[in-house]
Amino acid sequence: GENVEQHPSTLSVQEGDSAVIKCTYSDSASNYFPWYKQELGKGPQLIIDIRSNVGEKKDQRIAVTLNKTAKHFSLHITETQPEDSAVYFCAALAATNAGKSTFGDGTTLTVKP
Amino acid sequence: NAGVTQTPKFQVLKTGQSMTLQCAQDMNHNSMYWYRQDPGMGLRLIYYSASEGTTDKGEVPNGYNVSRLNKREFSLRLESAAPSQTSVYFCASSEYRTAVILGQYFGPGTRLTVT
Repeated sequence: GENVEQHPSTLSVQEGDSAVIKCTYSDSASNYFPWYKQELGKGPQLIIDIRSNVGEKKDQRIAVTLNKTAKHFSLHITETQPEDSAVYFCAALAATNAGKSTFGDGTTLTVKP
Repeated sequence: NAGVTQTPKFQVLKTGQSMTLQCAQDMNHNSMYWYRQDPGMGLRLIYYSASEGTTDKGEVPNGYNVSRLNKREFSLRLESAAPSQTSVYFCASSEYRTAVILGQYFGPGTRLTVT
């Protein structure tokens, strides 16, 4: 089955700096890669996604890149703000796998004011 | 448009008691999922329903049963609760078809403690 590894497990940055979270996956059939943000006491929220036919996608301060050959994808947050502090999860899905996601273990991002 | 709702928000059970966690979505999604999240850990899939009328086991199904009551509702039942089932339970939904997959929308969670 699919295996997703996520690094780092914790990340601390100063407000205004950039943050990068990286994930690798094992199943070459995976073709959809969403990212979720989970604030304390809440459910995960989908923040951005990328499909295997696209190399990069950007939405305001967040961007995701995908390298299919190397089987890794990354989340980039620029100009970080204290409200970006949360746990971030990556996931990988294959179209043939009933929509089941394999999640990474999460990255706790702390943005210091 | 409430998205995904879960009841109850909190629950304390004694070992051996049973309960049902309720989940409903109003986004007309065909697929629904139940996860558990333990402290400091990621999300583990318990059961899922790819479409109305079907259910399948996920990664950690032991001790749980599910019912896809209709397209909107997907319930999770603990028949005989054990302390190892102390966790936060999340329900999620998505629109899934072989040719199109989309991300999942999660409910706010149910915090369950089994003593």
